[in-house]
Amino acid sequence: AQSVSQHNHHVILSEAASLELGCNYSYGGTVNLFWYVQYPGQHLQLLLKYFSGDPLVKGIKGFEAEFIKSKFSFNLRKPSVQWSDTAEYFCAADSGGYQKVTFGTGTKLQVIP
Amino acid sequence: NAGVMQNPRHLVRRRGQEARLRCSPMKGHSHVYWYRQLPEEGLKFMVYLQKENIIDESGMPKERFSAEFPKEGPSILRIQQVVRGDSAAYFCASSLGGAGSYEQYFGPGTRLTVT
Repeated sequence: AQSVSQHNHHVILSEAASLELGCNYSYGGTVNLFWYVQYPGQHLQLLLKYFSGDPLVKGIKGFEAEFIKSKFSFNLRKPSVQWSDTAEYFCAADSGGYQKVTFGTGTKLQVIP
Repeated sequence: NAGVMQNPRHLVRRRGQEARLRCSPMKGHSHVYWYRQLPEEGLKFMVYLQKENIIDESGMPKERFSAEFPKEGPSILRIQQVVRGDSAAYFCASSLGGAGSYEQYFGPGTRLTVT
């Protein structure tokens, strides 16, 4: 069965610390990968997406993610977090045929000033 | 250009009542998806619709839940005879296309509370 795993449920960082959130997927064949962010009181927004091509994807607000096919991973990174990055982050995937997206359980990031 | 609209934002129902959740996709989008988010869980796919067609309802509970996306008007997710376990946030998303590299845009969600 298709699945997406996020192993960090809650991460607390100080401002300027580096961030890496893990995401592993279980899909056969073609896969599209996404990271969404949900700021407090707001709805889901797309941070970045990978469909094909360069496995290092750059998104909004300084975020990037690397698709490593051999590890079935799509980890999210940011070199220096800010207090405003406090939010919940969801990794997601679909099989590319049509977008029945499977989401991970989310990682709550708290950035301390 | 308005985003995906959902209403109501909060809905309280007593056990046994019906809940109707509405979703208006972004302008020009004809593909709608419904997801449910239970407390401490990720979003779970429920159903994918195009205008007047249900394409994939594999994530919908077999009983009490139904969805439609008529030719005119919003998509409706209907839950009959609600139970406490239906309490969740229900999110709608829309996209320009259904296959390939089309981004899904999410609405703000409807938080259903069953008392």
